[in-house]
Amino acid sequence: ETGVTQSPTHLIKTRGQQVTLRCSSQSGHNTVSWYQQALGQGPQFIFQYYREEENGRGNFPPRFSGLQFPNYSSELNVNALELDDSALYLCASTRGGAEETQYFGPGTRLLVL
Amino acid sequence: QKEVEQDPGPLSVPEGAIVSLNCTYSNSAFQYFMWYRQYSRKGPELLMYTYSSGNKEDGRFTAQVDKSSKYISLFIRDSQPSDSATYLCAMSASGLGAQKLVFGQGTRLTINP
Repeated sequence: ETGVTQSPTHLIKTRGQQVTLRCSSQSGHNTVSWYQQALGQGPQFIFQYYREEENGRGNFPPRFSGLQFPNYSSELNVNALELDDSALYLCASTRGGAEETQYFGPGTRLLVL
Repeated sequence: QKEVEQDPGPLSVPEGAIVSLNCTYSNSAFQYFMWYRQYSRKGPELLMYTYSSGNKEDGRFTAQVDKSSKYISLFIRDSQPSDSATYLCAMSASGLGAQKLVFGQGTRLTINP
């Protein structure tokens, strides 16, 4: 086990709704990244948070937003859901540093109808 | 053109065979080359990584990087049914916990007993 947990495991929403996904990292992991993995594809970087500040963003629109909390938990919020947002959402945490491994959670599978 | 290209397979081989998985990339700035393994309904887990060029061996697994050709490989010797998973290559310019890991599409591998 990686020590990274995510909730919920599965979620069904309808187009236009908003969703919040949660991640709990290992103690001491002050860096968390979120990835979107569409079916049959590799994970795509959404953004990274370091000490509660956004620290880099991939090619995702502003309706994807996040928060990181001092207790090593974090959230991914998606507004105005679209059908193409259906995917597995992964969070990954690390202590930081070039040689420090990122540990992935099991993901939340989101289906948008 | 994608930054990282990986043949999605699927690849099916008999137990005991040598497996070769490959990725090509276009970004010369990549310095860290990783292989992740993802079992069904799980998040990716880091299998091994190489910094810059060269080979790295870990038990039955060998990773190779040829920066001149922008080509990386993972070899699995004496493959086992437990090796059946999706294998993802990932790359970054600045480290394992970097802002942005760029993943390949993943190759789905099945080892038949």
